[in-house]
Amino acid sequence: QVQLQESGPGLVKPSQTLSLTCTVSGASVSSGTYYWTWIRRPAGKGLEWIGRAYTDGSANYNPSLKSRVTISLDTSKNQFSLKLTSVTAADTAVYYCARDRYCSGGTCYSHDAFDIWGQGTVVTVSS
Amino acid sequence: QSALTQPASVSGSPGQSITISCTGTSSDVGGYNLVSWYQQHPGKVPKLMIFEVTKRPSGVSNRFSGSKSGNTASLTISGLQAEDEADYYCCSYAGSYTLVFGGGTRLTVL
Repeated sequence: QVQLQESGPGLVKPSQTLSLTCTVSGASVSSGTYYWTWIRRPAGKGLEWIGRAYTDGSANYNPSLKSRVTISLDTSKNQFSLKLTSVTAADTAVYYCARDRYCSGGTCYSHDAFDIWGQGTVVTVSS
Repeated sequence: QSALTQPASVSGSPGQSITISCTGTSSDVGGYNLVSWYQQHPGKVPKLMIFEVTKRPSGVSNRFSGSKSGNTASLTISGLQAEDEADYYCCSYAGSYTLVFGGGTRLTVL
């Protein structure tokens, strides 16, 4: 059974860097089958795609966050991470890590569908 | 890249059918058959309900179906049940290896 678990500080000061880690069990982040993704939900608002990383070292980001975001894989620890710099109160949200691509019965479909999610972690930006 | 447009809320009575729309542009919804839908109950993790516009993951009830016409995708729930009350989000590939979500729709079962 594949599980994802977010970890990291729940409180970050304005202008500092938000750093979160997602630990994956039951699957390998280096398998090449999936993208590994971060998504957030600000309080009272909808979901926002932050970006994703792939085993070849590539990453794709939301254009509105691109200048501040880095997502990377740590294959030795079977984890992937999110770094968001220069945070403000607008970055306060529940942050989710997720696996991107649905596979079933030996068939893998297109990417861009998040089939496994972490439980989410609340990050508050405040001094 | 703007969020896809969903109605803020929809409602229906048990047993009825409802449809949630998700409107984008030819650069996202209309340009690719890569629309997915998620159900999120309060305090819970989002759940994949539909992918590639019309496909259902294993274990998702066949009361849930997806479709697309032009720049608008739709999620239809038939035989509405109390447990369907939740927030629903659409998501689409938006080109250049990016994705965009809709603003979300709150479904109330009357």
